[in-house]
Amino acid sequence: DSGVTQTPKHLITATGQRVTLRCSPRSGDLSVYWYQQSLDQGLQFLIQYYNGEERAKGNILERFSAQQFPDLHSELNLSSLELGDSALYFCASSGEDSQETQYFGPGTRLLVL
Amino acid sequence: GQSLEQPSEVTAVEGAIVQINCTYQTSGFYGLSWYQQHDGGAPTFLSYNALDGLEETGRFSSFLSRSDSYGYLLLQELQMKDSASYFCAVRGYSGAGSYQLTFGKGTKLSVIP
Repeated sequence: DSGVTQTPKHLITATGQRVTLRCSPRSGDLSVYWYQQSLDQGLQFLIQYYNGEERAKGNILERFSAQQFPDLHSELNLSSLELGDSALYFCASSGEDSQETQYFGPGTRLLVL
Repeated sequence: GQSLEQPSEVTAVEGAIVQINCTYQTSGFYGLSWYQQHDGGAPTFLSYNALDGLEETGRFSSFLSRSDSYGYLLLQELQMKDSASYFCAVRGYSGAGSYQLTFGKGTKLSVIP
């Protein structure tokens, strides 16, 4: 158990819908990262937040957005969902200077029908 | 940007030694990390090399050559539970004062009796 929690574990929805994925980092970790993992694209970095502020942005679509709240939990919002958005979404957290050592949550498996 | 190359699949016998190679191209290289992911599970951190040389952690060792943009993960005394995917990742500068971890596509290791 990494100490990172994600909800929900599974999500099935329809094209065009909007969903919110939730992540709570390990106690004391200020950084939260979001990744998308699909069979053909591997593990893709989406976005990083550090202590409530956006720190780095990767290949995140404009239909996707995220935020980190004062209690450090984070939410990833996916809107206008397409079939291709079906994937595993991981949240990870790390300490201030430990970007290389990230602790991953169990993931949310999203299926868009 | 960053790119990494690693073999897609490797098969090895229980009790043997296996080496998983990783070559990378990146701007502003800071270090090479390795993660393990079992089917259906979350990636877990294995090791990190910032300097040239070999880092040993139990049965696992990781090597880095910055001049060759090359590293490898060495797994000794293979056990069936080592069957998993192994990802190399580089922390690189992505601009505007931010860094991100870019993952390779992963090497699926199958350990056979």
